[in-house]
Amino acid sequence: AQSVAQPEDQVNVAEGNPLTVKCTYSVSGNPYLFWYVQYPNRGLQFLLKYITGDNLVKGSYGFEAEFNKSQTSFHLKKPSALVSDSALYFCAVRDINTGGFKTIFGAGTRLFVKA
Amino acid sequence: EAGVAQSPRYKIIEKRQSVAFWCNPISGHATLYWYQQILGQGPKLLIQFQNNGVVDDSQLPKDRFSAERLKGVDSTLKIQPAKLEDSAVYLCASSLEFPSGIAKNIQYFGAGTRLSVL
Repeated sequence: AQSVAQPEDQVNVAEGNPLTVKCTYSVSGNPYLFWYVQYPNRGLQFLLKYITGDNLVKGSYGFEAEFNKSQTSFHLKKPSALVSDSALYFCAVRDINTGGFKTIFGAGTRLFVKA
Repeated sequence: EAGVAQSPRYKIIEKRQSVAFWCNPISGHATLYWYQQILGQGPKLLIQFQNNGVVDDSQLPKDRFSAERLKGVDSTLKIQPAKLEDSAVYLCASSLEFPSGIAKNIQYFGAGTRLSVL
């Protein structure tokens, strides 16, 4: 069965510093991987995805993520954090070979960026 | 382009009462999803429609939850009777393609309905 883990409930970073939000996954086949962001009282917004190709994918708002097949990870990164990046971040995975049609979301990581 | 519309935004009911949520997806989006997001957790898929057919409802508590998508456009999710543990945010999302397509599989979410069961 497919699963996704976000090992950190919360990440704190100072504005201007680089940030990393971690995600690991488990699938029996090849994964589709996604990052979504949720601001207070709003639905999730798509940030970026990995389907195939280059392991480093770039998304919205200066975010990027690196697919690492050997470590089954898809960590979200940004070179320089902004206070406005403070939000709840969700990693999601879908097993395109055996997972059927379901996308599984992690529990989320709350990012605090301090001015 | 209008986003995914959901109503109501908030609902407070007592246990054993009934409640219904409405969702209108982005125009032209064939796939519609209902998720339950309990505080502190990620969204959990309840049901997924392709046009007006169900493709996954394996996590829908069918003894109390029901959903329909008539005419393949908007959808309603109903809970009858509600339990305390149903308190959550109910998110509706839509995507352009069927998940098995080569294309984007990006989901667009509504703002959600926050349900409190007392």
